[in-house]
Amino acid sequence: ETVMTQSPATLSVSPGEGATLSCRASQSINSYLAWYQQKPGQAPRLLIYGASTRATGVPARFSGSESGTEFTLTISSLQSEDFAVYYCQQYNEWPWTFGQGTTVEIK
Amino acid sequence: QLQLQESGPGLVKPSETLSLTCSLSGGSIGSTSDYWAWIRQPPGKGLEWIGAIFYSGSTFYNPSLKSRVTISGDTSKKRFSLKLSSVTAADTAMYYCARHVYGIGLDHWGQGVLVTVSS
Repeated sequence: ETVMTQSPATLSVSPGEGATLSCRASQSINSYLAWYQQKPGQAPRLLIYGASTRATGVPARFSGSESGTEFTLTISSLQSEDFAVYYCQQYNEWPWTFGQGTTVEIK
Repeated sequence: QLQLQESGPGLVKPSETLSLTCSLSGGSIGSTSDYWAWIRQPPGKGLEWIGAIFYSGSTFYNPSLKSRVTISGDTSKKRFSLKLSSVTAADTAMYYCARHVYGIGLDHWGQGVLVTVSS
């Protein structure tokens, strides 16, 4: 099973500042990496797939990148609606696995 | 526009079987390249993938739940279902159904249904 490890667990950021979230895979996942955003009381929302492609309707301030088994989600300038929990997920092999999540909170 | 909606009992007794259905509007589970998945989230915790059914009927399960899980699909009725047997309090969670498009990820989700396991 591929283990996904996210860091940090919590990120405190002021509105307008940037944020960098990390996700590490325990083995190669061939760029089959997605990022999801979840707000309280809501289902997760797909933000990024294929490690770096924004899903339909996702603002350009969200970007994804990869370096080997290290993946990064960058939010360039946090808006009020961006404070949420973010999960990475690999879909390269069964079982699909999620990271434990990073909470982005208002500083 | 594809929409998914979970339905089923919100309360299940320990040792019984949890049964949920995901109904589709604006789409069909017979579509090629799509998987139809179940994911759960215990209160205050992270996401756990339970399993998925491919449009062909092939199923894939999380090994940690495999002995207790069955996912089935009904293309004519545009729905797929989850059965989880021998439930315990640890199975208390929000259960989501979702579509996974090959190479893309879980792009459409239901709103979720909270299932509590308690006597």
